[in-house]
Amino acid sequence: DAKTTQPTSMDCAEGRAANLPCNHSTISGNEYVYWYRQIHSQGPQYIIHGLKNNETNEMASLIITEDRKSSTLILPHATLRDTAVYYCIVRVAWNYGGSQGNLIFGKGTKLSVKP
Amino acid sequence: EAGVAQSPRYKIIEKRQSVAFWCNPISGHATLYWYQQILGQGPKLLIQFQNNGVVDDSQLPKDRFSAERLKGVDSTLKIQPAKLEDSAVYLCASSRGQREKLFFGSGTQLSVL
Repeated sequence: DAKTTQPTSMDCAEGRAANLPCNHSTISGNEYVYWYRQIHSQGPQYIIHGLKNNETNEMASLIITEDRKSSTLILPHATLRDTAVYYCIVRVAWNYGGSQGNLIFGKGTKLSVKP
Repeated sequence: EAGVAQSPRYKIIEKRQSVAFWCNPISGHATLYWYQQILGQGPKLLIQFQNNGVVDDSQLPKDRFSAERLKGVDSTLKIQPAKLEDSAVYLCASSRGQREKLFFGSGTQLSVL
């Protein structure tokens, strides 16, 4: 089962920042937070990932709380092309003979960017 | 850089028939995954290969599903015989290694009638 909780859907106005929350209260010390998105009729696309510190790349920013129990994905200037389902996933970074660190997807958040 | 290639894009079959899907991962990617995505749900891992060896097939219904990755490059996923509940999108993904980010293909949409 997915180890994250996300809102089912969110709306955002074009040009505004989209802030997508994710709860992962049972995250372990050796688990990363990953974000993927899936645009209609396409496969999931990697966005960003982080362990403890905030991360930023050309697509988005990831803010992880100090206790690591929740995070927020920020799309700074949402466009219509950002309309997609966004998945927050916790993934084992390293292991000592246990899980291979597979991605376990939940249902994600359907983000609708409106003109 | 070419992405993950999958074929066919769409397939319609009747129940109890067999079907096969093909995947060509990104060049140099050692790890290959097959996911099943039922409408309205997130993708579910079916099988993971590291080169040509199986790493995880715990979620693969082995009575009807099989997969292989000969020579550690291309992979095929087969369903025989298909059931109505197998209607889904079958996604292939690859990564450089087991801890690396995954790149997904566009998937094969299977309809079982």
